[in-house]
Amino acid sequence: GAVVSQHPSRVICKSGTSVKIECRSLDFQATTMFWYRQFPKQSLMLMATSNEGSKATYEQGVEKDKFLINHASLTLSTLTVTSAHPEDSSFYICSARGGAGVTDTQYFGPGTRLTVL
Amino acid sequence: QKEVEQDPGPLSVPEGAIVSLNCTYSNSAFQYFMWYRQYSRKGPELLMYTYSSGNKEDGRFTAQVDKSSKYISLFIRDSQPSDSATYLCATTTGNQFYFGTGTSLTVIP
Repeated sequence: GAVVSQHPSRVICKSGTSVKIECRSLDFQATTMFWYRQFPKQSLMLMATSNEGSKATYEQGVEKDKFLINHASLTLSTLTVTSAHPEDSSFYICSARGGAGVTDTQYFGPGTRLTVL
Repeated sequence: QKEVEQDPGPLSVPEGAIVSLNCTYSNSAFQYFMWYRQYSRKGPELLMYTYSSGNKEDGRFTAQVDKSSKYISLFIRDSQPSDSATYLCATTTGNQFYFGTGTSLTVIP
């Protein structure tokens, strides 16, 4: 099956620092990657969609200057939380899909738990 | 109206019970449906997918789509404590994905 990895799995940082999270598709080429945020006991909240080589499309209410997304290759996307604050503490999950057809589903990474002190 | 509606539960059942998880969807054009399982503090994993109407079985899991009533179901037979997780239904048009809010399931030993 399709495998998506995320690194790091957990990060604790001080307020004001920037944190980079990597998302990799290990055994397929991901034409599209998605970044989600999930608060405890709540559903997935889509933050942005990125296609390889082009700018990410952000959902309404998501600050693109705060959450920088780079989809540099067909197997790697990064999310950088800039100048992180305690309210950015959350579970960040990426997903990837290999095509744009209706049967091309999303495969999720294991998530990254960010804690901002 | 949301594209996909799902009862959040929580749902609690004894071990060995048959579990029925359900979602409704609004757009009759949706044809591809997925069920994801998410354990606490983990990313969702694809459990089952179905295309168009009908049933699909995989071990103890059966996914069912009823297009006439826009209803999708996931049945778990002989439920186990290890099935305790949140289950999300989803559908896609190809360009957009729509997820249910997830149903929290606890299987009590």
